[in-house]
Formats: sequence, C-alpha cells, structure tokens
Amino acid sequence: RKEVEQDPGPFNVPEGATVAFNCTYSNSASQSFFWYRQDCRKEPKLLMSVYSSGNEDGRFTAQLNRASQYISLLIRDSKLSDSATYLCVVSPGAGSYQLTFGKGTKLSVIP
Amino acid sequence: DAMVIQNPRYQVTQFGKPVTLSCSQTLNHNVMYWYQQKSSQAPKLLFHYYDKDFNNEADTPDNFQSRRPNTSFCFLDIRSPGLGDAAMYLCATSTNVGVWEETQYFGPGTRLLVL
Repeated sequence: RKEVEQDPGPFNVPEGATVAFNCTYSNSASQSFFWYRQDCRKEPKLLMSVYSSGNEDGRFTAQLNRASQYISLLIRDSKLSDSATYLCVVSPGAGSYQLTFGKGTKLSVIP
Repeated sequence: DAMVIQNPRYQVTQFGKPVTLSCSQTLNHNVMYWYQQKSSQAPKLLFHYYDKDFNNEADTPDNFQSRRPNTSFCFLDIRSPGLGDAAMYLCATSTNVGVWEETQYFGPGTRLLVL
C-alpha cells in the first residue's frame, strides 16, 4: 500500500461547482496533515493544515478521519483560478521533519 | 518579503557534467530540504539539514551531494548527471518553532535538463 494515496484525476468541473478530493495514508502514527496546491511547473504552496476537528478557510474545508486514515478537501463555488494539482501531505509529527507527499489530484475548472 | 530563492530557474547540462544548484532563504529557518520531482510524481525527499546536521535519505543515490555553508544557503551537487536525473529540484525550509514545525516553504524550483 502506498504511503499517501490520492485519486490522480483529472477532475474537470464547471465554475461554481463543488468538488471533493480524498486521500488515504498508511502510517497510523501520523500526526500532521496538510493540503498543498501546485500549479503547473511551479512549486507546491501550503493551502491549509488539517486539524482533527476539521477546519474551514473560505471556500475550502478540510476533514480528517484518524480511524479510517482518511483526509478530504472540499472546494465550494469553484473558480477558474482553483485549477491546479492538490497534494495531500502527511507528517509523522513529534519533531519529525519528514513530509510524505501524495502524487496529487489534478483539478481543471472549466468556464 | 522573506522567501526561498533558487538559482538558476532552468539548468541545462550534459550527461556526466557536474552541476550545482543553489538555494537561499531569508526566513532564518533552521531546516532546509532538497526534493526531486519528476513529471506527474510526488516530490521525493533527497536529504535535509537540521542546522548543520546532514540527513540523507536511504535511497538517495551517491551521485547527489549537498552542502550548507551557513543558515541561509544550501547547495545541491549532482556529480555525474544521467538522463534519469532530469527533473524539477525543489528547495524547502521549515522551522522547529511551535506547531508550525512541519510546514515547509518551497522555493520556485530549478528545472534540470540533461542532454
């Protein structure tokens, strides 16, 4: 089983749609979870951290289910500028500096 | 603005010709990382420095070396590039302060082409 697994997509959605990405991780001891966004031929940029209680930042909502080792990202009211690859990232935490990246899910928002 | 800077942004080298990629940061972070990312793949950690302590990933080829002469700068040396080393090389930094210790800040990357 891959350490961090994501549906590669692509997800092609119309503007204004709601889209959800899922991610599973294999290391049950993982402590920290993130979503990064990566535009084509650019560097990854932190979109949001994922907390146990779930968290929201504007149109973006992240959820964590530790029992199922599952993380999700929901994007509401999709904009053209949301088109990018979304990387699920997991860390053992507790002072570890290792991040394990998923391969990413590609999103294309269509006019 | 505080940032992570990588030079050059694009590097073309010949098969077997040594190449050095550079990274500098104004964030004063004590941890610096080098990743390799190939097309449609996840970034793969090559090594990282915690201050001056070098930490090599077990599967990083010996062909890849790194130097960190001071807090701000870190270099990636590829001693004998092969065609399979063509990739985007990403430098990242993080700090071990508080709850954000795992958050990594990436430079724009250097895209390496090996002819």
